Amino acid sequence: GQNIDQPTEMTATEGAIVQINCTYQTSGFNGLFWYQQHAGEAPTFLSYNVLDGLEEKGRFSSFLSRSKGYSYLLLKELQMKDSASYLCAASQNRDDKIIFGKGTRLHILP
Amino acid sequence: EAQVTQNPRYLITVTGKKLTVTCSQNMNHEYMSWYRQDPGLGLRQIYYSMNVEVTDKGDVPEGYKVSRKEKRNFPLILESPSPNQTSLYFCASSSGGGPSSRYNEQFFGPGTRLTVL
Repeated sequence: GQNIDQPTEMTATEGAIVQINCTYQTSGFNGLFWYQQHAGEAPTFLSYNVLDGLEEKGRFSSFLSRSKGYSYLLLKELQMKDSASYLCAASQNRDDKIIFGKGTRLHILP
Repeated sequence: EAQVTQNPRYLITVTGKKLTVTCSQNMNHEYMSWYRQDPGLGLRQIYYSMNVEVTDKGDVPEGYKVSRKEKRNFPLILESPSPNQTSLYFCASSSGGGPSSRYNEQFFGPGTRLTVL
C-alpha cells in the first residue's frame, strides 16, 4: 500500500535546531515535498526533493534517501514564527498524484 | 500578483443543495488539484488535473466532480452535498517541469471552509 508517516507533534527551543522525519511507502515515487502550514492558513511550499541528498535553503534544509524511503526537514536557528505544522507529501506516478502525511505540529518555546 | 484564488471562502449550506467552489490561477500552470483537510486526517487529494480536459481521481473523489475546460480554472462541484463533506478545501496549482522536476512547486489557494447541515 501507500503510506506516509511523520511524528504528530514536536517541541523545540527558540534558537535551537530541530529535525522532522518522514518515512514513505509509495509506488511510482517521483519526489518528496515539504510544506509549512500556520494555523488557519494555506500550506506554503518549502522544498521538493527529487534526488538523494541534502538541499539547503537558508535556515531550512531537506534531505531525501530514495532507497530508504526517508526524508527529513531540518530547521536551524529556530524562531517563534516557525511554530506551525510541517507537512510531508510524496508525488506518485507520471500524473503527479500527491499523498500527504498527517503533518507534524512544531511548538517553539522561548 | 501570482496567485490561486478560491470562492467562496466560507459557505454554509444544507444537505442536497448543489454547490460549486471555484478555483482560478493566473500563473499559466498546467497542474491543478483539489484537497480537503480534516482534523487528524491531514490533507487528502480529491481530484487533480495535469492539463485541460485531463482529470484524475485522488484518494477521496466520492461525492465530488471537477472539470477543466480551460487552463486557469478548476471548479469543484458537489452535486448533492452531505454533512460528511463538511471540511476545509484547498485548491492548488503547480509550476514548471512536472513531477520529475526539482522545480515542482505547488501554490495553494486560501481555502474554502464548507459546512453542510
